[in-house]
Amino acid sequence: AQRVTQPEKLLSVFKGAPVELKCNYSYSGSPELFWYVQYSRQRLQLLLRHISRESIKGFTADLNKGETSFHLKKPFAQEEDSAMYYCAPYSRGNNRLAFGKGNQVVVIP
Amino acid sequence: DAGVIQSPRHEVTEMGQEVTLRCKPISGHNSLFWYRQTMMRGLELLIYFNNNVPIDDSGMPEDRFSAKMPNASFSTLKIQPSEPRDSAVYFCASTTGGLNEQFFGPGTRLTVL
Repeated sequence: AQRVTQPEKLLSVFKGAPVELKCNYSYSGSPELFWYVQYSRQRLQLLLRHISRESIKGFTADLNKGETSFHLKKPFAQEEDSAMYYCAPYSRGNNRLAFGKGNQVVVIP
Repeated sequence: DAGVIQSPRHEVTEMGQEVTLRCKPISGHNSLFWYRQTMMRGLELLIYFNNNVPIDDSGMPEDRFSAKMPNASFSTLKIQPSEPRDSAVYFCASTTGGLNEQFFGPGTRLTVL
């Protein structure tokens, strides 16, 4: 069965500390991977996508096909990074995104 | 550009009542998605449309849920009759399709008493 797992529901980190959000997926074929973010009182929005191989707001995500993971990382957390983060594989077979349950990140000043 | 528009933003109703949620996608987007967000289950896809045609409704929880897209600029999600366990935030999103970014609406927070 196709599945995406974000094991830690709530992650609290101090400002300036590294943050890593884990995402593991179980999909047939080679899905494309995305991270979406929802800041307080804002709409859910795209943070970054694997195919772009870019760093957005200091965040990067590396696709590890061997481990079927797409962990999101930032070396120095900022208060404005407090948000809900969703890992989302896109399956060409289903032609849609599938969201994980999300990680709530709280950055402590 | 107002982006994806949803109404109402908040809805409080009593068990057994009919609830209709509305969505206006971004002009030019040909795919529309309805999601439900809860603490326990995260963000779940309910149904999506391509060019106004329902493609996958396997996420619709029960027959009490129905969705329509009569034209490219409007979609509804209806719950009849509503139950307390339907309480959640319902999001609508649209995209030009495929791997392109999905743009989300502000959501409708539904509370069924």
